[in-house]
Amino acid sequence: SQTIHQWPATLVQPVGSPLSLECTVEGTSNPNLYWYRQAAGRGLQLLFYSVGIGQISSEVPQNLSASRPQDRQFILSSKKLLLSDSGFYLCAWRKRRQNYGYTFGSGTRLTVV
Amino acid sequence: GESVGLHLPTLSVQEGDNSIINCAYSNSASDYFIWYKQESGKGPQFIIDIRSNMDKRQGQRVTVLLNKTVKHLSLQIAATQPGDSAVYFCAGNMLTFGGGTRLMVKP
Repeated sequence: SQTIHQWPATLVQPVGSPLSLECTVEGTSNPNLYWYRQAAGRGLQLLFYSVGIGQISSEVPQNLSASRPQDRQFILSSKKLLLSDSGFYLCAWRKRRQNYGYTFGSGTRLTVV
Repeated sequence: GESVGLHLPTLSVQEGDNSIINCAYSNSASDYFIWYKQESGKGPQFIIDIRSNMDKRQGQRVTVLLNKTVKHLSLQIAATQPGDSAVYFCAGNMLTFGGGTRLMVKP
């Protein structure tokens, strides 16, 4: 069975510090991978998606970046965090060429102080 | 994301009543529509989906209705329980998510 792991679950970081959130998927190959952000009390905002190793598409211009160094690994990074980067970050995957059926990770609660 | 980022509307219902959560979409090219449930502090979980060539699909205690004419999707929850309290999102193909509705069930 397929599983998705996302860590850490919670993170408190000072403004200006770097960020690295990691997401890995097990039990499948060549997944499409996604990073979403959810501000408190709001909906999901797509940040990045990837259809393959090294292939990253950005949906929202910001000071965040994403990388996919391995087929089932997706990393969300920032060189310098802003207060506005606080939120709930979700990683998700779905099978390639399947237009539905996202599976989400458990999320990372990021608070920038 | 037709309405991603908007403040979430809230639906408050009495335990045992039926709930209807609505979603409007703008992407007519979606082949599927999906409803997700997100409990506080957790990632969204799949509830039910419906193909775009269907009008209705039923699951356990949940029914999804699709009206392509007015681009409207609804999720009906029968005999709502406290455990149904969560935020509910609709999603179309690929990368689009509705803003979500917070369902609060009063005991």
